[in-house]
Amino acid sequence: RKEVEQDPGPFNVPEGATVAFNCTYSNSASQSFFWYRQDCRKEPKLLMSVYSSGNEDGRFTAQLNRASQYISLLIRDSKLSDSATYLCVVNNGRTDKLIFGTGTRLQVFP
Amino acid sequence: DAGITQSPRHKVTETGTPVTLRCHQTENHRYMYWYRQDPGHGLRLIHYSYGVKDTDKGEVSDGYSVSRSKTEDFLLTLESATSSQTSVYFCAIRAEQETQYFGPGTRLLVL
Repeated sequence: RKEVEQDPGPFNVPEGATVAFNCTYSNSASQSFFWYRQDCRKEPKLLMSVYSSGNEDGRFTAQLNRASQYISLLIRDSKLSDSATYLCVVNNGRTDKLIFGTGTRLQVFP
Repeated sequence: DAGITQSPRHKVTETGTPVTLRCHQTENHRYMYWYRQDPGHGLRLIHYSYGVKDTDKGEVSDGYSVSRSKTEDFLLTLESATSSQTSVYFCAIRAEQETQYFGPGTRLLVL
């Protein structure tokens, strides 16, 4: 079993739609969680950290469910510019390494 | 912008030749990382450093070595490049609350 699992997609949605991605992780000792965004042929960029109580940044909402060991990302009112690959990232229970999922690809069409 | 640069940005080399990739940061971060990214595998950690001359292996370290003689520079060396090392290589630094920020990447093709 992979340490971090994501549905690779692609998710094809129209502009204005709401889309949700889930991610599961296997290490119950993981303490830090993130969503990164990666555009084609570019480096990953931090989208948001995920906190236990859930957190929101504009159109983006992240949730953490420790009991079920999954993380979610909700994007409301999708924009064409949201088209990218979204990487789920967790730490390995220690503070010096992060484990990256293989990503979920989102394509927003007009 | 986390002030991370990588060089070269693109490289084509032949099997068996040594290759060194450089990562440079300007903000004095203690931790630095080298990853490779391949289709279907995501980002995989090669080596990382937790200070000058302090390094440790990641999950895919075979065939790679690293050196960190200054805080700002972290070098990745492929001692004898193989075609399986064709990949995109990303350097990263660790910032606050375990977040990592990445350099622009190096595309390496080993023929």
